[in-house]
Amino acid sequence: DAGITQSPRYKITETGRQVTLMCHQTWSHSYMFWYRQDLGHGLRLIYYSAAADITDKGEVPDGYVVSRSKTENFPLTLESATRSQTSVYFCAIMTSGSGNEQFFGPGTRLTVL
Amino acid sequence: GEDVEQSLFLSVREGDSSVINCTYTDSSSTYLYWYKQEPGAGLQLLTYIFSNMDMKQDQRLTVLLNKKDKHLSLRIADTQTGDSAIYFCAESISSTLTFGKGTMLLVSP
Repeated sequence: DAGITQSPRYKITETGRQVTLMCHQTWSHSYMFWYRQDLGHGLRLIYYSAAADITDKGEVPDGYVVSRSKTENFPLTLESATRSQTSVYFCAIMTSGSGNEQFFGPGTRLTVL
Repeated sequence: GEDVEQSLFLSVREGDSSVINCTYTDSSSTYLYWYKQEPGAGLQLLTYIFSNMDMKQDQRLTVLLNKKDKHLSLRIADTQTGDSAIYFCAESISSTLTFGKGTMLLVSP
């Protein structure tokens, strides 16, 4: 457990609404990541951040926006939610140990109606 | 591009050994990982292996890496019902991970 919290844990929203998923780490690891998990696709990287104010796109960034003004927080915003964004979203951090291990938060289950 | 392949399902009896296989395509992977996901939970890191190693053992877990064939396996000795879960392998290139789609392990009493 690397002290990663995600909120909310469950969210139901409607198509077209803006939704922000929060990720907070109690440590100060530099790297943070957002993944989505869908049946048949496994986990896919949405965005990641190497440090405060440094973000980069992953495999599936379209429709998402991220920011990282503070090292410990990495919010993910869906600016105009679509049904295809119904998914389970996981935040992760990477430790600075020898194996570059990534540790995951508990996830947010998002349903877009 | 990178691609990580796993078989979808494995069923074993309690007490047997389980072997979950994974193939990857990017030869520049630095580390390879195994994660476990129980229903409704996040991913738990089980173990990882550096790409210049052949084998790593950690209690009931043995990881074998064949870099020539780009094949990774996870062996669970004395499999228990609590080992029932989805297992993901992942490869690391630079700072990002590419995951397989997961292998569901079902352990029957």
